[in-house]
Amino acid sequence: EAGVAQSPRYKIIEKRQSVAFWCNPISGHATLYWYQQILGQGPKLLIQFQNNGVVDDSQLPKDRFSAERLKGVDSTLKIQPAKLEDSAVYLCASSLPRTGNTGELFFGEGSRLTVL
Amino acid sequence: AQRVTQPEKLLSVFKGAPVELKCNYSYSGSPELFWYVQYSRQRLQLLLRHISRESIKGFTADLNKGETSFHLKKPFAQEEDSAMYYCALAPYNFNKFYFGSGTKLNVKP
Repeated sequence: EAGVAQSPRYKIIEKRQSVAFWCNPISGHATLYWYQQILGQGPKLLIQFQNNGVVDDSQLPKDRFSAERLKGVDSTLKIQPAKLEDSAVYLCASSLPRTGNTGELFFGEGSRLTVL
Repeated sequence: AQRVTQPEKLLSVFKGAPVELKCNYSYSGSPELFWYVQYSRQRLQLLLRHISRESIKGFTADLNKGETSFHLKKPFAQEEDSAMYYCALAPYNFNKFYFGSGTKLNVKP
């Protein structure tokens, strides 16, 4: 079974530039999450999708971050313009629909962003 | 408000010694608790979950509702246990997950 795929793995940009991250969840996983993990901290939820609808985006800095999940499969997370404090690893995770969910999140390898 | 606290950023033990990684939580309700692990150069993955009452790789975790704790234990640590460990909390319907800041376990030979 293929795991959660993310790209790019690494990205270095200057502040005020834009960046986009892509995620392909495990086939059949209706729920998709984007987490931000700053060095030395645990993952913090940015946005959660159920199919192509947003379930929770309360922690997403909407003035600069946006995310979409077209057709309920792939998802992209965009930052524009980037700030120094956005330097982090952006983790995508997916899980089964609620009825079959045992509480396991399946994570991608992450996209490490460095903002200079 | 919900919170997961892992008080130790780093825990170093010798091979064969017992290990306990601490996790305390605050949540208004009955949460489900999990431990996730990230080995070097690998992705974050589930280690064990409270609802399964399981032992994985010799690790166990007991939910203490009175002390709101979910400490991870192993009687004899192995070098391959060296990794980052994250405690996580979710409501009963698993519709949201909250992670602690993680503890790095270093098992010395």
